[in-house]
Amino acid sequence: QVHLVQSGAEVKKPGASVKVSCKASGYAFTGYYIHWVRQAPGQGLELMGWIDSSSGATNYAHSFQGRVTMTRDTSISTAYMELSRLKSDDTAVYYCARYVNSGYSGYDIWGQGTMVTVFS
Amino acid sequence: DSVMTQTPLSLSVTPGQPASISCKSSRSLLHSDGTTYLYWYLQKPGQSPQLLIYEVSNRFSGVPDRFSGSGSGTDFTLKISRVEAEDVGVYYCMQSIEPWTFGQGTKLEIK
Repeated sequence: QVHLVQSGAEVKKPGASVKVSCKASGYAFTGYYIHWVRQAPGQGLELMGWIDSSSGATNYAHSFQGRVTMTRDTSISTAYMELSRLKSDDTAVYYCARYVNSGYSGYDIWGQGTMVTVFS
Repeated sequence: DSVMTQTPLSLSVTPGQPASISCKSSRSLLHSDGTTYLYWYLQKPGQSPQLLIYEVSNRFSGVPDRFSGSGSGTDFTLKISRVEAEDVGVYYCMQSIEPWTFGQGTKLEIK
């Protein structure tokens, strides 16, 4: 079974950083990109960027450039998303998702989401 | 950037009746490789989103055939031929021509 399992909920103060992990299982981790999508409370979906799990190459959405860093550790099939200089409006559920582009395309597997609360 | 505009933002449907959601892009989603990268996702209450339709009209594995997608260029539609109770949630269209963007979502509820 293919899974993405994310780390647990976080509570952070404004100005701090948060690092969310996304552990893959059941497939060849380096064969796919991992994308990060966030959802503020009661709001829609917002793409933050992605990482090529094989090369480590990244592409960040304009609104997150300078504050987000996506990395991966292929030895443990885990991707990470770190967001710095947190603000209250970064309070959201953060999802990782596997992007497929072979035979079919799209986000076929999603993590369960990680709630990040920024609270002073 | 492609702005994705969904209509309606909410709809209430009687089980067994059809439903339709429109998604309009501010620019053509036809990629230079000939593929139109338009997707539909459903986020059921309390769950992560799930892929329904990829590349405009292809149902993802396991998606019931009551779901269908159509459209081209800038105008796209998701149709549910006969709504069931399990179809409740928020439907999002998404395009993947850089920069990737989601529609604002359409909430489907059952009457």
